[in-house]
Parts: sequence; C-alpha cells; structure tokens
Amino acid sequence: QKEVEQDPGPLSVPEGAIVSLNCTYSNSAFQYFMWYRQYSRKGPELLMYTYSSGNKEDGRFTAQVDKSSKYISLFIRDSQPSDSATYLCAASNTGNQFYFGTGTSLTVIP
Amino acid sequence: DTGVSQNPRHKITKRGQNVTFRCDPISEHNRLYWYRQTLGQGPEFLTYFQNEAQLEKSRLLSDRFSAERPKGSFSTLEIQRTEQGDSAMYLCASRGEWPSEKLFFGSGTQLSVL
Repeated sequence: QKEVEQDPGPLSVPEGAIVSLNCTYSNSAFQYFMWYRQYSRKGPELLMYTYSSGNKEDGRFTAQVDKSSKYISLFIRDSQPSDSATYLCAASNTGNQFYFGTGTSLTVIP
Repeated sequence: DTGVSQNPRHKITKRGQNVTFRCDPISEHNRLYWYRQTLGQGPEFLTYFQNEAQLEKSRLLSDRFSAERPKGSFSTLEIQRTEQGDSAMYLCASRGEWPSEKLFFGSGTQLSVL
C-alpha cells in the first residue's frame, strides 16, 4: 500500500463548476499536508499547506484535512480553464520525507 | 525570494554517457531535496541534504547516482553511465524552517536518454 493514494482521473468539468479532489493516506503520524498544481513539463507549484487537521481557504481554493479518516481534500470554486493541470497531494510527518500521490489530471472546459 | 532554480531545463544524452544537473535553492533554505518524476506519477524521493550533509538516500538510488551540496548552497546530481530507464524529470526542492516548512520545487530538468 502506498503512503498516499490519489485517484488519477482524468477529471473534466465545465467552467464555473466546483471541483473536488481527494486523497487518502495510511500513516497516522503525518502532520503536514500539501496540494501542488503542476502544468505539463513544469515543476509542481505549492497551492495549499496545512498543518494538522482542519480547513484552510485561499481565494477560490479550500483545503481540508480529516485526520480521523485520513482523508485530504482540495476544493476549487468557480473553476477556470487556467485551472487545467495535474493536482498532487502530499503528506509528511515531522521527519524529512514527503510522500506524494500520483496526481489527478483536471481539465476545465470553457 | 527568487525561487528554486534548476539547470539545464532539458538534457538529451546517449546511453552510457554521464550527465550532471544543478540546483540553486531558495537562499535562506538549508534543506534541499532531489526527486524524480515520470509521466503519470508523483515525485519520487531520491535524496535529502541539510546544509552540506547528505542525510537520506532512497534505496532506489543506484550507485550510478551521486549528489553533492558543497558549502551547503547549490547542489549537483550526477548520473553515470545513463540508461534509458533514467529518462525522467529530475526535480529539486528546498524547504524552510519552522514555522514555515513548506517545500518549494524548481522547474525541473527533463532528461531523455536515447
């Protein structure tokens, strides 16, 4: 079992839709949770960073962590064509290793 | 904050040749990581430095791979006797200290081994 599991999609939505992206993880010691956006042939760009449980909002993006169910979510409101990318979730404990999901490919159709 | 810089952006080489990649982390970050990413997969951990000390290496890192970080600033990743299976995106990332322990990536070096 991988440390972080993510549905690869692909996911296709119309412009303006609410997008929900999800990951599960297996290690209850994970404390740091991140979402990255990656455009084709580019490095991952940090979108959201959460420590421990709870919600964090930044503009159209909301990250949720539910440690009881080991579930990580990213919501994108009013999705735009420029949001079309691969979204990676990641988790880390207090050590030095980060564990990444395989990424979910999202296409927002104008 | 100029971000993490990686060079070259692309590298095409023939099987059996040696290649070297360079990473310049965010200046105040003392922690530096190398990852490898193939199509449809998430980044895969290769190695980690704190300052100039290489503290962790993945079991996946064969002896053809070596990384250095002299003086705790920039880092290099060398692959000797490249194989076609080495073709991938090589990503460098740097990380700040508590309370901002975010991991920031560079744009990567895309390696193609012919």
